[in-house]
Amino acid sequence: SAVISQKPSRDICQRGTSLTIQCQVDSQVTMMFWYRQQPGQSLTLIATANQGSEATYESGFVIDKFPISRPNLTFSTLTVSNLSPEDSSIYLCSARNAEAFFGQGTRLTVV
Amino acid sequence: GDSVTQMEGPVTLSEEAFLTINCTYTATGYPSLFWYVQYPGEGLQLLLKATKADDKGSNKGFEATYRKETTSFHLEKGSVQVSDSAVYFCALSGSNFGNEKLTFGTGTRLTIIP
Repeated sequence: SAVISQKPSRDICQRGTSLTIQCQVDSQVTMMFWYRQQPGQSLTLIATANQGSEATYESGFVIDKFPISRPNLTFSTLTVSNLSPEDSSIYLCSARNAEAFFGQGTRLTVV
Repeated sequence: GDSVTQMEGPVTLSEEAFLTINCTYTATGYPSLFWYVQYPGEGLQLLLKATKADDKGSNKGFEATYRKETTSFHLEKGSVQVSDSAVYFCALSGSNFGNEKLTFGTGTRLTIIP
């Protein structure tokens, strides 16, 4: 199994600022993903983080708002840009080989 | 596209009751099916999985059988405990080879009362 360290675990940010979330996996993984879990709702895939190339975004999510980096097979970052209260959510990193593992999540509150 | 329809909650049961959480799916090809659990204040954990029709996944007393004819993957447990209180998510992916994203159901919050 893979262990995923995600940080920060929570943050409170001002409108208009940005937050960068880091995801570190303790072993090399094929795929890394970023999900959003809005309060009381299920997980929605934001994008697939591709190693060495641009991320693949799902419908409704764009690179300008959610820039993603993945410089190697064990690390990725998600930035949530130009924050608004609607961005308040839990953001989850996931890593997958044969099985998917999840980080503990980052709880973001925008004030 | 792929989708997962999950029994809506919340569900409240007494300890030792029988649990069923329904899950049906729509997908092309032959998806793999999963149940994830999220305990209060924690991240998602894989509970069980099945990768082909008629497979039964099981773990911690929970079971689910991959039924292709009914496109279902219902979660069951014969006798629930207070410690089973959590949110349960049904999910699918296009293959089990690590190259497909997960599509999740809406989640079912389960509360077990002593």
